Amino acid sequence: NAGVTQTPKFRILKIGQSMTLQCTQDMNHNYMYWYRQDPGMGLKLIYYSVGAGITDKGEVPNGYNVSRSTTEDFPLRLELAAPSQTSVYFCASRLETGELFFGEGSRLTVL
Amino acid sequence: SQKIEQNSEALNIQEGKTATLTCNYTNYSPAYLQWYRQDPGRGPVFLLLIRENEKEKRKERLKVTFDTTLKQSLFHITASQPADSATYLCALVSGGYNKLIFGAGTRLAVHP
Repeated sequence: NAGVTQTPKFRILKIGQSMTLQCTQDMNHNYMYWYRQDPGMGLKLIYYSVGAGITDKGEVPNGYNVSRSTTEDFPLRLELAAPSQTSVYFCASRLETGELFFGEGSRLTVL
Repeated sequence: SQKIEQNSEALNIQEGKTATLTCNYTNYSPAYLQWYRQDPGRGPVFLLLIRENEKEKRKERLKVTFDTTLKQSLFHITASQPADSATYLCALVSGGYNKLIFGAGTRLAVHP
């Protein structure tokens, strides 16, 4: 039982490049979330999904896109990367009772 | 505007003492509130959840209170140990039961 798996763990992008952060969970949770965490700051919600085919914006969705074609996968797409998107990205899935399970994070630097 | 506030300054305490962390919120009416622990370079780990109709919740050395009138939650660690040193995040549910919004966290340092 791997829980929530994120790839890649580290990535350096050039300004204007695009990439996809992958997130997979094997707990059959309907709810999944993407957060970003800047140094010394809390988590900001980017997008979330309540089930396959359903996604919605969080607090800071600009510059990102998501899709949820299966229960297991919730990829986060960055289009036209900007230095402001340098951050640590966390994916999480959620029990029906509310508890979140987080991945280990993906550290992205945009230069 | 909506805000979740936690003490931004680190809390330094002596081993064996009780650590108390505060989470205040504005313009939310959360059905429940959660506390997470985060170690450097790791993802947050769930600790406790308390619902709006619960005043207090305990788990081993941890205790959480939730005062919906004061719009505040207190998180206590009794008999603290150096291994309790970490950042503690509070989070509350918003937008129905779908969104979980986090505070900035408070760093706790327990000294031997």
